[in-house]
Amino acid sequence: GDSVTQMEGPVTLSEEAFLTINCTYTATGYPSLFWYVQYPGEGLQLLLKATKADDKGSNKGFEATYRKETTSFHLEKGSVQVSDSAVYFCALSDRGGGADGLTFGKGTHLIIQP
Amino acid sequence: ETGVTQSPTHLIKTRGQQVTLRCSSQSGHNTVSWYQQALGQGPQFIFQYYREEENGRGNFPPRFSGLQFPNYSSELNVNALELDDSALYLCASSFPGARGYDTEAFFGQGTRLTVV
Repeated sequence: GDSVTQMEGPVTLSEEAFLTINCTYTATGYPSLFWYVQYPGEGLQLLLKATKADDKGSNKGFEATYRKETTSFHLEKGSVQVSDSAVYFCALSDRGGGADGLTFGKGTHLIIQP
Repeated sequence: ETGVTQSPTHLIKTRGQQVTLRCSSQSGHNTVSWYQQALGQGPQFIFQYYREEENGRGNFPPRFSGLQFPNYSSELNVNALELDDSALYLCASSFPGARGYDTEAFFGQGTRLTVV
């Protein structure tokens, strides 16, 4: 079945540091890929998405490129802020057929220190 | 437009009891999905409703059931509660686009269920 693997946390960085959170996936079809963010006490918010190979999703300074050859969708940001502290989830939606919902990774807790 | 709202926000139940959680979808959305998020884990897909019918289900037993109403709001029912059912339950609404599952799912803030 489909699965998403993302790097374990917590990831602790200083403000203005470069961020990479790795995400790889396995899927039977041609999935769409997503990054969601969860702030403390809140639900999930879509951060960015990519629907086909080589697409780049971007939002709020975050970027991720859909790499079919490496089955990856790594999240990057050039300069993080304290307000970026949250849990980040990589997810996929398999368009191969059926309403199977989103498959999520376990999440990566990001802590940005001033 | 209003977002996805869930009720209640917190709930404590005893093992063996039954619980009903509620979700109002975002205006214009006809698809509702439910997810279970255990502490420190990613959300796991329970099932999805489209136009009042279940059209997809994850690996959850039949004691997890649901309903979708004509106004597209939804309920999640869990019978015979077990301690492992303690989790954050998330509802998400969406409107399938021409490519099916590429449209954004909007999540509510969740219901925190504790089974004792």
